[in-house]
Amino acid sequence: KQEVTQIPAALSVPEGENLVLNCSFTDSAIYNLQWFRQDPGKGLTSLLLIQSSQREQTSGRLNASLDKSSGRSTLYIAASQPGDSATYLCAVPNSWGKFQFGAGTQVVVTP
Amino acid sequence: GAVVSQHPSWVICKSGTSVKIECRSLDFQATTMFWYRQFPKQSLMLMATSNEGSKATYEQGVEKDKFLINHASLTLSTLTVTSAHPEDSSFYICSAAPYRDSTYEQYFGPGTRLTVT
Repeated sequence: KQEVTQIPAALSVPEGENLVLNCSFTDSAIYNLQWFRQDPGKGLTSLLLIQSSQREQTSGRLNASLDKSSGRSTLYIAASQPGDSATYLCAVPNSWGKFQFGAGTQVVVTP
Repeated sequence: GAVVSQHPSWVICKSGTSVKIECRSLDFQATTMFWYRQFPKQSLMLMATSNEGSKATYEQGVEKDKFLINHASLTLSTLTVTSAHPEDSSFYICSAAPYRDSTYEQYFGPGTRLTVT
C-alpha cells in the first residue's frame, strides 16, 4: 500500500526566504504527483501536477521536482510572502485513481 | 475550466437528522467522483468512489448505509449523511475526474463543513 509522508509537519520562515517542502512515497510506480494548497477551513487548490515522466514542473515562484527512483518530491517556493501561509499537501493516485495524501506541511510566513 | 462546486459550503444540523451534500462538475463531465473527509489537523481520507450509473465503492471502515452516495448524472454526485451524530462533524471534499481523461488527474471542490449539534 502506498504511503505518503511529508516533512516537516510545520514550518515558519521570515518573509523573503525560500521554502522547501518535502514529500516521500513508498511505491515508486506512480502515475503522477500533485501538490495542493489548503487555506484554513477551505478546500484544495491544485498548485502543480508532475507526470511520472517528468522531473520537474514550474509555475511562477513554485517549482516541484520528482525523483521516482528515490520516492521523493520537493516543492520549492521562492521569495516567500505572508500570503503563502497555508497547509501544503502532496498526493499520488493509485491505478484506480484513488489519491493517497500526505499529512501536509503547515507553513507560516512572518512579515 | 475544470471547476467543481459543492453545496452547501457549510451546514449545521441536529443530531439524528440527515443532510445532503452536492458535488457538481461545472464545465466537464465526470464519470468518476470521489468523496473525502478531513478531520481537524488531519489530511484527507478517501471515503468512497462514485461512478455514474452504478453503486459507489466504499473504503474499508466507511459505513455505506450511513453515507449514501448517488451519482445520477455525469455532472452531479450527492453524499447524504443519514442520522448524523456529532462525530460525523467534519470537512467533506469531493473531486471529479474528467470524462475525457483518466482518473489520475482530479479536480477538487471547495469542501463542505458539516457541524452536527
